[in-house]
Amino acid sequence: QITLKESGPTLVKPTQTLTLTCTFSGFSLSTSGVGVGWIRQPPGKALEWLALIYWDDDKRYSPSLKSRLTITKDTSKNQVVLTMTNMDPVDTATYYCAHLSSIAARTIDSWGQGTLVTVSS
Amino acid sequence: EIVMTQSPATLSVSPGERATLSCRASQSVSSNLAWYQQKPGQAPRLLIYGASTRATGIPARFSGSGSGTEFTLTISSLQSEDFAVYYCQQYNNWPLFGGGTKVEIK
Repeated sequence: QITLKESGPTLVKPTQTLTLTCTFSGFSLSTSGVGVGWIRQPPGKALEWLALIYWDDDKRYSPSLKSRLTITKDTSKNQVVLTMTNMDPVDTATYYCAHLSSIAARTIDSWGQGTLVTVSS
Repeated sequence: EIVMTQSPATLSVSPGERATLSCRASQSVSSNLAWYQQKPGQAPRLLIYGASTRATGIPARFSGSGSGTEFTLTISSLQSEDFAVYYCQQYNNWPLFGGGTKVEIK
């Protein structure tokens, strides 16, 4: 059974850097074809992909946010970390980490519960 | 950049009726289109991938169709647990979600 859980601050100030950790079980990021993604959802709004990382350390970023995002993995800890710099109130959202389907690339077959991050001074 | 447009924004349907949701891509995404269901306070759930293939455990009342730029999700007979927000997502390029369609009880 695949499980994922996001952790990190619930409140950050404008201009600060957000660091979120996804801790997962039920799969290994050292297995060929496996990937983890981060997606966010502002309150009452639609979903937005942020970043992906694959078993071979291939990393992909949202074109509109690429300059602010960094995704890394720690295979030994079963963790993926997302950092987002220069946070703004418009970045207030629920942030999800997710397991990428091995059947249909860049779709999600398992999600974390999400963590709400509020950006406010 | 591809834009994904879903319509209508809100769909009011009575239980037992059919619901038809549309998703349009601004350029072709081939069949690289997925549908998700999201209920309040929950993470989304994958329903359909490859435009028409149901994900594991998804009831047969959910069906997807289309290719290129026009896609449809049909729920043949709405059950109480189907009232939710539905998102399409293309994965032909950088993955993008549509704005969602809320299916509400009429």
